[in-house]
Amino acid sequence: DGGITQSPKYLFRKEGQNVTLSCEQNLNHDAMYWYRQDPGQGLRLIYYSQIVNDFQKGDIAEGYSVSREKKESFPLTVTSAQKNPTAFYLCASSISTTTDTQYFGPGTRLTVL
Amino acid sequence: KQEVTQIPAALSVPEGENLVLNCSFTDSAIYNLQWFRQDPGKGLTSLLLIQSSQREQTSGRLNASLDKSSGRSTLYIAASQPGDSATYLCAVRSSSGGYNKLIFGAGTRLAVHP
Repeated sequence: DGGITQSPKYLFRKEGQNVTLSCEQNLNHDAMYWYRQDPGQGLRLIYYSQIVNDFQKGDIAEGYSVSREKKESFPLTVTSAQKNPTAFYLCASSISTTTDTQYFGPGTRLTVL
Repeated sequence: KQEVTQIPAALSVPEGENLVLNCSFTDSAIYNLQWFRQDPGKGLTSLLLIQSSQREQTSGRLNASLDKSSGRSTLYIAASQPGDSATYLCAVRSSSGGYNKLIFGAGTRLAVHP
């Protein structure tokens, strides 16, 4: 059953702590993306990766970090430097960054207590 | 800088109505425009994709049109059903620093009541 999985579905964090969100895909896609969604706003791009061992900053990368050690995995770390981390985080993948269709995971809702 | 706006922000209609969701964008230099559906607390599902050279795309009860010169797209939903209740997002693909980037609108939250 091909697709994108994100875990956990809900995540709670205390202020000052780093937290890592998981994203895995078995679609054999080269490109992967992380978006942030806030109420009443569209999705904003945090980071993207065109291929293994490569990643680029998106529009709102400050306070976040990523790695791409395996084709299937693109974890996102929300660091303590992120001023307002409470949001819904969506991971997506596509065959390449120039390919039209991105496939989205179910999302992780992060709440900072 | 490309900006995408969706109107209305929310819409409530009785079952069976035909309805139109609007999407506008500021820069007509786009590769394509895509409509997505998002159920509460879930990811996005692609509904329709219109290439910049196309005028419309249809899938079942959904029809999306594109007028690139005026920077507008509409999503037409025929004979709405309660199962259509969701947030509908449009996104345009533009070139930005060599990467074909998706830029999203804030969405229209649709409620179809029986």
